[in-house]
Amino acid sequence: GAVVSQHPSWVICKSGTSVKIECRSLDFQATTMFWYRQFPKQSLMLMATSNEGSKATYEQGVEKDKFLINHASLTLSTLTVTSAHPEDSSFYICSAPRVSSTDTQYFGPGTRLTVL
Amino acid sequence: GQSLEQPSEVTAVEGAIVQINCTYQTSGFYGLSWYQQHDGGAPTFLSYNGLDGLEETGRFSSFLSRSDSYGYLLLQELQMKDSASYFCAVRPWGRYGGATNKLIFGTGTLLAVQP
Repeated sequence: GAVVSQHPSWVICKSGTSVKIECRSLDFQATTMFWYRQFPKQSLMLMATSNEGSKATYEQGVEKDKFLINHASLTLSTLTVTSAHPEDSSFYICSAPRVSSTDTQYFGPGTRLTVL
Repeated sequence: GQSLEQPSEVTAVEGAIVQINCTYQTSGFYGLSWYQQHDGGAPTFLSYNGLDGLEETGRFSSFLSRSDSYGYLLLQELQMKDSASYFCAVRPWGRYGGATNKLIFGTGTLLAVQP
């Protein structure tokens, strides 16, 4: 079964509004989670690392004031897209690593954001 | 920085074997992974190479050669359900030398399996 959940699975909003996306680890604690963005027919681009109890670490070129990340607990990270515009329409996916001998990361099912 | 290149599309027939290559230019990484993603879905883990060589997991195998900056995913006995996008990904070293947990993805390969 799913070990990482995201909510909502899809959202449509008007330009200028803010949208919050939740990412939860279901049966394990995650001190770190990751947020990715994927445009149609493109690869996953890492946006930021969400750190429980401290500030998120953003990748180069990602506006931290536009994409607010809060790691409220060991099982929850939220991404808020502030003042969304049509160019922010994308598939947003979170992931959480689990300690293992491989590189396994567990990905959430993704959130499809459409900004009108 | 990290740059991982893959062929954009590959087409093969059911029952065949296909190899998806990943060539990279990186400043160093901890391991090379492969993920499968069906349209509209989340990536799912397929295989991992921490060391050079071949790793086999059922119908999927993955290979890494750090000296050649090259890896590949081998899919055998192709099935229609294998039609998906495939991504290589690396776990880069952190600023202070330890491995980070974040993943940097390759450009992705869309595999189409035909009957």
